[in-house]
Amino acid sequence: DTAVSQTPKYLVTQMGNDKSIKCEQNLGHDTMYWYKQDSKKFLKIMFSYNNKELIINETVPNRFSPKSPDKAHLNLHINSLELGDSAVYFCASSPQSEKAFFGQGTRLTVV
Amino acid sequence: GENVEQHPSTLSVQEGDSAVIKCTYSDSASNYFPWYKQELGKRPQLIIDIRSNVGEKKDQRIAVTLNKTAKHFSLHITETQPEDSAVYFCAASWNSGNTPLVFGKGTRLSVIA
Repeated sequence: DTAVSQTPKYLVTQMGNDKSIKCEQNLGHDTMYWYKQDSKKFLKIMFSYNNKELIINETVPNRFSPKSPDKAHLNLHINSLELGDSAVYFCASSPQSEKAFFGQGTRLTVV
Repeated sequence: GENVEQHPSTLSVQEGDSAVIKCTYSDSASNYFPWYKQELGKRPQLIIDIRSNVGEKKDQRIAVTLNKTAKHFSLHITETQPEDSAVYFCAASWNSGNTPLVFGKGTRLSVIA
């Protein structure tokens, strides 16, 4: 009965590969996000979706493409992975721009 | 857009002492200010939040204060315990729209037994 769940928890892949991270929330929230946490622990917003519609797309390379099949899911697909993409990626959801609930994170390592 | 500054970046206190973490924000339209605690290898978890119509909020050993005029807010932890050791993040957003939380860069708190 996890509120926000994302898979996989760990992802190790080679440069140039394409990978996806899945996220699902069962809280009935309208808004979902992807955050990137770098090695210095800085949490930076990547994308924000409201009711399956893209609201915010920060300065993120177009190799990153979010997809929201319904308002309970927000997946992140990454093409042509680079070393600098290594980070922890957190999915989150909130009722309306507050009280964000985070998934357990996906530690992506590009080698 | 919103910019949130957080200080200090690291903080060490003796068990039982108080810890104070301070944040400033830039967008006067922001009206929601949560604090998150992130333990090593875990997800950030909400510990307390405050809205702009309130100046102070307390929950057991944790309190948050907000000064809208100065655009700063602070987290106060009293009687610190070793399990309070973690990274703490402040954040700000405008909850009348769909703006995401903008986070400060975090404070690594170490409580020394």
